[in-house]
Amino acid sequence: EAGVAQSPRYKIIEKRQSVAFWCNPISGHATLYWYQQILGQGPKLLIQFQNNGVVDDSQLPKDRFSAERLKGVDSTLKIQPAKLEDSAVYLCASSPIAGERYNEQFFGPGTRLTVL
Amino acid sequence: SQQGEEDPQALSIQEGENATMNCSYKTSINNLQWYRQNSGRGLVHLILIRSNEREKHSGRLRVTLDTSKKSSSLLITASRAADTASYFCATAADSNYQLIWGAGTKLIIKP
Repeated sequence: EAGVAQSPRYKIIEKRQSVAFWCNPISGHATLYWYQQILGQGPKLLIQFQNNGVVDDSQLPKDRFSAERLKGVDSTLKIQPAKLEDSAVYLCASSPIAGERYNEQFFGPGTRLTVL
Repeated sequence: SQQGEEDPQALSIQEGENATMNCSYKTSINNLQWYRQNSGRGLVHLILIRSNEREKHSGRLRVTLDTSKKSSSLLITASRAADTASYFCATAADSNYQLIWGAGTKLIIKP
């Protein structure tokens, strides 16, 4: 079974620039999550999708962050414009909604973003 | 917001010893999960314990859950160098599949 794919793995940009991250979840997983993880902290949920609908985006800074999941499969997360405090690892995870392993989250390798 | 608080924040032990880390949380839960994160394999699910369970085992891992105290512990027996990682507890409150994460315990296994 292929895991969660993310790209790019690393990105360095200057503040006020834009950046986009891509995620392809495990096939058949209906739920997709984007997290922000700052060094030394646990993951913080930014947005949760179920199929192509948003379940929770209460912690997404909507003035600069946007996310979409077209056709209920892969997803993109965009930051525009970036700030210094956006430097973090952006993790994508997916989860099945039924079966033995429902509610477990499967993570991609993450994208390490550095904003200069 | 983060619900789980792991204790200790950091732990350093000799290879072969047992490692115990604890997690406390604030609200009622459906289940509690432990994950491991290291630079090589990213964030990986280890074990899930449901609110009606008290103890669960998986290989060298033993997890306990005390819902009256809103706490859980993860025991790793006979530690190995490969167990060096950060360990996170995450709680699921209901069926919306959302997890709330603690800040993690950093475990270092000394050879």
